[in-house]
Amino acid sequence: EAGVTQSPTHLIKTRGQQATLRCSPISGHTSVYWYQQALGLGLQFLLWYDEGEERNRGNFPPRFSGRQFPNYSSELNVNALELEDSALYLCASTLNIAGANSYEQYFGPGTRLTVT
Amino acid sequence: ILNVEQSPQSLHVQEGDSTNFTCSFPSSNFYALHWYRWETAKSPEALFVMTLNGDEKKKGRISATLNTKEGYSYLYIKGSQPEDSATYLCAFRGRSQGNLIFGKGTKLSVKP
Repeated sequence: EAGVTQSPTHLIKTRGQQATLRCSPISGHTSVYWYQQALGLGLQFLLWYDEGEERNRGNFPPRFSGRQFPNYSSELNVNALELEDSALYLCASTLNIAGANSYEQYFGPGTRLTVT
Repeated sequence: ILNVEQSPQSLHVQEGDSTNFTCSFPSSNFYALHWYRWETAKSPEALFVMTLNGDEKKKGRISATLNTKEGYSYLYIKGSQPEDSATYLCAFRGRSQGNLIFGKGTKLSVKP
């Protein structure tokens, strides 16, 4: 079974540009979460999508947005890039139903975004 | 603001040593506590999901305990091996949220 995949692996942008990061969840998983790990910080929750809807967002400005497609894959868009947006962005997927297996969040390898 | 604390920040041990880390989390509104193992340049790998007070989980040489009343979990590694070298993350999930709140992790280095 294929795991969570993310693309691209690395992305270099300049300040003010827009970045688009992509995530494909494990087959059958309906929920996608986005997390950011900036230098020196732990993983910070960004966004949660389930069944095509945004369910929750973390403490990030509106420049961070995204969407989930009918096939449950997801995009994270970061507009008006700032230097401090340089970070590793991780995507995770899970089944969003009651039951023990639905607790697990499975992570992709991440996209390293560098803003110069 | 919900806070998850992990200690120590880093740990250097010799091969064969046993070690343990601590994760502290809010004791109210508890839903689940996750442990992950994260090697450099790889995806975080799920180790345990713990949901009940007093839970004890084991996977090979790694085990974890959970105390939801006082808000802490311990991860134990028995007889550390160089391949155990990684960052160990714990993450708290509250009842009213779907996302995880992560600690900063404990970085373990095991010398042969």
